[in-house]
Amino acid sequence: EAEVAQSPRYKITEKSQAVAFWCDPISGHATLYWYRQILGQGPELLVQFQDESVVDDSQLPKDRFSAERLKGVDSTLKIQPAELGDSAMYLCASSRRWGQGSGRSYNEQFFGPGTRLTVL
Amino acid sequence: SQKIEQNSEALNIQEGKTATLTCNYTNYSPAYLQWYRQDPGRGPVFLLLIRENEKEKRKERLKVTFDTTLKQSLFHITASQPADSATYLCALVLFSSGSARQLTFGSGTQLTVLP
Repeated sequence: EAEVAQSPRYKITEKSQAVAFWCDPISGHATLYWYRQILGQGPELLVQFQDESVVDDSQLPKDRFSAERLKGVDSTLKIQPAELGDSAMYLCASSRRWGQGSGRSYNEQFFGPGTRLTVL
Repeated sequence: SQKIEQNSEALNIQEGKTATLTCNYTNYSPAYLQWYRQDPGRGPVFLLLIRENEKEKRKERLKVTFDTTLKQSLFHITASQPADSATYLCALVLFSSGSARQLTFGSGTQLTVLP
């Protein structure tokens, strides 16, 4: 069964350093999402791509975070410089294009295993 | 302000009983509502979706209800098993720009099924 891949699984860094996370969505999924999940809370959307275009990055702290999906397939999320408050799980998810497949897609999202970031 | 609230406390139940989890929302008009399961250190896994015009949806031992007047969804696990122990997240599906859809998650309810 196809899965969303993420790397690394764990990352420890010092504040002010740069970190990068990588995501490879399920093949054929046009929509890709990056979420941040703080312990004890639900995932919070950071950025959403449709193919290579950003659909929504309203919750992305753009002074330090950036995301790209250059060829509309895999994606990278970067933080520079990292701050103590960035410690969290970073989740990537993908879904089919709305209306794709048999009947209308209901936007089921498939999540990767996440990257646990610790900033010291 | 917009808010999604799930059972605020962790829920412990005895094996074999029915677990009922609650999701309440305010100031949203979701087209759909989804439930996900999340195990420690893992990403959420989709369980069920219910549309705004549906009252109830079932899948094996799972049942979801959706009351758009009360702005509430109930998630039931019948004949619960220790393997059902996990955090359960409700998520509202909202329409965003163009054909894009977004999920807005609640904070989750941690369910423990005791043997």
